Amino acid sequence: TQLLEQSPQFLSIQEGENLTVYCNSSSVFSSLQWYRQEPGEGPVLLVTVVTGGEVKKLKRLTFQFGDARKDSSLHITAAQPGDTGLYLCAGEYNNNDMRFGAGTRLTVKP
Amino acid sequence: GAGVSQTPSNKVTEKGKYVELRCDPISGHTALYWYRQSLGQGPEFLIYFQGTGAADDSGLPNDRFFAVRPEGSVSTLKIQRTERGDSAVYLCASSTGLNTEAFFGQGTRLTVV
Repeated sequence: TQLLEQSPQFLSIQEGENLTVYCNSSSVFSSLQWYRQEPGEGPVLLVTVVTGGEVKKLKRLTFQFGDARKDSSLHITAAQPGDTGLYLCAGEYNNNDMRFGAGTRLTVKP
Repeated sequence: GAGVSQTPSNKVTEKGKYVELRCDPISGHTALYWYRQSLGQGPEFLIYFQGTGAADDSGLPNDRFFAVRPEGSVSTLKIQRTERGDSAVYLCASSTGLNTEAFFGQGTRLTVV
């Protein structure tokens, strides 16, 4: 059983569309991180959210941490083919222990 | 080096053999993680070190798996009597502490034949 549930598992959209992916847990986290992973590479950090209700923006990406610090969402505006990849959320506990979700595999078609 | 280094990048071994996977974290990073990733899946937690000690080894699947970090820097993941089901990419990551970025190596692809 995954501690962090990500949805949807797969998402295929056309260039220019908007999308939202979700990360949910019954656990409370000290922080939640979003990573993007390309084939053959390790995950690379996109953002860390720490405060409940926090919203962070990174160009066309908007990240939100739930008020109770149990869930998060990632919204991409006007998706581009370069956004294609595996998006992973990771919850960090107070002792610095970190767990990942299974990921959302995004494909953006030109 | 500047990043997390994992060696070997690829390892093919026969069923029943012993393997060691090495992780050289970023200098000064006290936290070190080992994960296992199967194709199309997220990283599955194995073990987390804070300094030299294993703070959480609850993800190790069974007693064939063992990891050490004797000097609080380099870590070795050891797998005894390998099985075909152990085939996966083994990822190592390190960080400076709570709420900080974890930097990943490129992984070791282990194939048990």
